[in-house]
Amino acid sequence: AQKITQTQPGMFVQEKEAVTLDCTYDTSDPSYGLFWYKQPSSGEMIFLIYQGSYDQQNATEGRYSLNFQKARKSANLVISASQLGDSAMYFCAMRLLTQGGSEKLVFGKGTKLTVNP
Amino acid sequence: DTEVTQTPKHLVMGMTNKKSLKCEQHMGHRAMYWYKQKAKKPPELMFVYSYEKLSINESVPSRFSPECPNSSLLNLHLHALQPEDSALYLCASSQERGVLYEQYFGPGTRLTVT
Repeated sequence: AQKITQTQPGMFVQEKEAVTLDCTYDTSDPSYGLFWYKQPSSGEMIFLIYQGSYDQQNATEGRYSLNFQKARKSANLVISASQLGDSAMYFCAMRLLTQGGSEKLVFGKGTKLTVNP
Repeated sequence: DTEVTQTPKHLVMGMTNKKSLKCEQHMGHRAMYWYKQKAKKPPELMFVYSYEKLSINESVPSRFSPECPNSSLLNLHLHALQPEDSALYLCASSQERGVLYEQYFGPGTRLTVT
C-alpha cells in the first residue's frame, strides 16, 4: 500500500532552535517525489521542499532541509533556527503514478508545530 | 512567481443554491487540481485536469462539476450541496502531471453549506 506516515501529531520547539519533523513512506514504485508543505491557520498550503526518488543529494531550501534516507524510506524535514512564523501544520506528501497512468499526491496526517518564544 | 489565486475566499450557501469556485494561475502550468480538505485532515484529491482535459475524477459526487475553460482557469461548479460538503477547497497547479513536479496551492475557499 502506498502511504505516508507522520507519527508526531504535535511538536514544540524554542525559537532559534532546530526541529526535525518525521515522515516515513511506503511504496514499491521506483519513481516518486516527496514533498513538504506548510499550512498556517489561514489555510494556504505552502510548498517548502521537494526530493525526487533518484536524487543523490538531500534537498535544501534556505532554512529547510530534507533528510532523505531511501533505504529506511524516510524523508524528515529539518527546520533550522526556528521562527515564530514557523508555527503551522506541516504535511509530508508523496507523489506517484499509479497503474493506468493515474497519479496521486498522498498526504500524511500532518504535524502541528508550535514555536515558543 | 508561483501564485495560484482562488475566489471567493469564503462562501456560505444553502443546499438549493448554485455557486462556483474559481482558480487562476499564470505560471504556464498544464496540470490543475481540485482538493477538498476537512478540518484537521490532509487534503483529498477530487479532480485533475491536464492540458485542459479532465484526467482524473476521484469518484466525486455529481453535485460537484469541474470546468477548465482555458489553460489558466479552473472552475468548480456547486449545486445542491449537503452540509457535509462544508470544507476548505484548495486548487493547485503543476508544470505537468508527473511525480517530479511540485504542486503549488492557492489559498483556498472556505465553504459552508447551511
